[in-house]
Amino acid sequence: AQSVTQPDIHITVSEGASLELRCNYSYGATPYLFWYVQSPGQGLQLLLKYFSGDTLVQGIKGFEAEFKRSQSSFNLRKPSVHWSDAAEYFCAVGSSGYSTLTFGKGTMLLVSP
Amino acid sequence: DAGITQSPRHKVTETGTPVTLRCHQTENHRYMYWYRQDPGHGLRLIHYSYGVKDTDKGEVSDGYSVSRSKTEDFLLTLESATSSQTSVYFCAITGQEDYEQYFGPGTRLTVT
Repeated sequence: AQSVTQPDIHITVSEGASLELRCNYSYGATPYLFWYVQSPGQGLQLLLKYFSGDTLVQGIKGFEAEFKRSQSSFNLRKPSVHWSDAAEYFCAVGSSGYSTLTFGKGTMLLVSP
Repeated sequence: DAGITQSPRHKVTETGTPVTLRCHQTENHRYMYWYRQDPGHGLRLIHYSYGVKDTDKGEVSDGYSVSRSKTEDFLLTLESATSSQTSVYFCAITGQEDYEQYFGPGTRLTVT
C-alpha cells in the first residue's frame, strides 16, 4: 500500500525567506504526486502535480517541487515566502485504479514578520 | 473553480441519529470521493465512486455508507452518528486528468 510522510508538523519561516517542505512517499510504481494547500476554514487547493517528464514542476503562487526517485521525495519549495502563504500544506500520492489519493498528515506553515 | 458544492456546510447532531451529507457537482465527472479531515491525521478516504451506482470503500469506511444514483450527486450517510465521527468532511472530484482531484468547501459535522 502507498503511504506519504511529511516529517515536519509545523514550520516557521520569516517573511521573505526561502521555504522547503519535505515529502517522502512509498509506492511501488511510478507515482503521481501532488501538493495541496489549505487556508484556515477553507477547502484544499491544488498547488502543483507531477505525472511524468521533467522532475522539476512549477505550480501556482510561485511554488515548485522536485521529484527525486532515488530519495522517494517530492519536496515543495518557494524562494521568498509571503505572509499570505501561511496555511497547511498536504502532499499526496495517487494510486492506480480509481484515481484515489493517499495524503500525508500535513505541515502547518507559519510566517513571521 | 470546479463546480462542487456540499450541503449542509455545518451540522450539529446527537449521538445515534442518522445524518446524510450531500455532494453535488456540475462538471459531469465520473469519479467522486468522500474524505474526512481530523487534526494530526490529514485527509483520509471514506468511500469513492467510479460511476453511477458504482462505489467502493476507502481507508476509514466503518460506520459510513454512500449512494450515487445520478452522476452529479454523491451522498454520504452516517447510519447512527457517534462522537468519533465529529470531523470535517470533504467531497472531491477528478479533474481533466486522471488523479487530479478538486475539493468542495467541506462540511463541519459535530456529534454531541
